[in-house]
Amino acid sequence: AQTVTQSQPEMSVQEAETVTLSCTYDTSESDYYLFWYKQPPSRQMILVIRQEAYKQQNATENRFSVNFQKAAKSFSLKISDSQLGDAAMYFCAYRSDAGGTSYGKLTFGQGTILTVHP
Amino acid sequence: KAGVTQTPRYLIKTRGQQVTLSCSPISGHRSVSWYQQTPGQGLQFLFEYFSETQRNKGNFPGRFSGRQFSNSRSEMNVSTLELGDSALYLCASSLPGYPEAFFGQGTRLTVV
Repeated sequence: AQTVTQSQPEMSVQEAETVTLSCTYDTSESDYYLFWYKQPPSRQMILVIRQEAYKQQNATENRFSVNFQKAAKSFSLKISDSQLGDAAMYFCAYRSDAGGTSYGKLTFGQGTILTVHP
Repeated sequence: KAGVTQTPRYLIKTRGQQVTLSCSPISGHRSVSWYQQTPGQGLQFLFEYFSETQRNKGNFPGRFSGRQFSNSRSEMNVSTLELGDSALYLCASSLPGYPEAFFGQGTRLTVV
């Protein structure tokens, strides 16, 4: 079974600065996807960024980028130019590409609460 | 384009009762998944439906069940509610062939 670990229960950053959230995962599969989701106080999970395991290039979405290290099974999220609206719980998630018992299943980490100070 | 809609947003039920939660996916999305979120256990996968068929199920007791209709709308049912079923229940939908899941705002269930 796959596991996802976020070792930072809480992180804080000053507005306009950069912060990195850590995530490691364990899997024996070679084909999978990794995601970062954001859950603000409204509780809705919002997709931030996605990474395909077969792609060596790190994904980037505006101020959000990842550092994907497949051999180390590490998937960190970097938020540049942090804004007050970035404050939320961030979840790292894994999804197998194998089908079968992996259909529709996201495995989540425990989450990291990000506080942004003005 | 409307997002994933979950109803109701809040529910309070008594132990032993049953409850039905509803999820309407994004138009064109045929896969619907359900998750339970609690402070202690985090986010846990309940089940996934595609074209009215359950394709995958998480490690939950049989009191948790679901179904999907021909219009892709899905319901989940919890029978004989226990205090430990108090949680945020999240529904997500996906397009066929795409790995991204888009979530609704959840239903907050409180069992008293």
